[in-house]
Amino acid sequence: DIQMTQSPASLSASLGETVTIQCRASEDIYSGLAWYQQKPGKSPQLLIYGASSLQDGVPSRFSGSGSGTQYSLKISSMQTEDEGVYFCQQGLKYPYTFGAGTKLELK
Amino acid sequence: QVKLLQSGAALVKPGASVKMSCKASGYTFTDYWVSWVKQSHGKSLEWIGEIYPNSGATNFNEKFKGKATLTVDKSTSTAYMELSRLTSEDSAIYYCTRDPGYWGQGVMVTVSS
Repeated sequence: DIQMTQSPASLSASLGETVTIQCRASEDIYSGLAWYQQKPGKSPQLLIYGASSLQDGVPSRFSGSGSGTQYSLKISSMQTEDEGVYFCQQGLKYPYTFGAGTKLELK
Repeated sequence: QVKLLQSGAALVKPGASVKMSCKASGYTFTDYWVSWVKQSHGKSLEWIGEIYPNSGATNFNEKFKGKATLTVDKSTSTAYMELSRLTSEDSAIYYCTRDPGYWGQGVMVTVSS
């Protein structure tokens, strides 16, 4: 199985701060990567697919980049509503696998 | 709009089975794979498997073969997942999902005597 390693496990950011979350795959996933945000008691919400394509309705402060085995999610200006847990997922090979999550809090 | 409406929470005894549903609306049910995902104790996510409603074809995470059975009822646009021989390790929230990015509200399964 492809292992997805996310870092950091948690972080806190101030309003307006730029936040970057990393995701490393154990093998090349050819941009077959998605990012999700999950808030307490809610289902995960898709933010980014294909490593860098913004899902409809997602604010433009979210962006994804990367290739090969290294990917990142950037929030250009932290907002209150961005608190939550962020997961990466590879969709290239079965079984699809997720990172362990990054908990983002407002400082 | 696309919606996936899942059945309610379940409390089941160890060794028993549970069957949960995922009713799809707002799109042609037979055109998209439906996946199932497990989330244990608010932690990370595990992909269980997927089913293609048009044919019934399935793909599974090896870890869940023998544990999960996926079926569909095309007449009601509903996907089902049955989990068998339940243990405390199966206590979790289970989601059905459809690309791109549509998720049901989740079913909390608690295995307890």
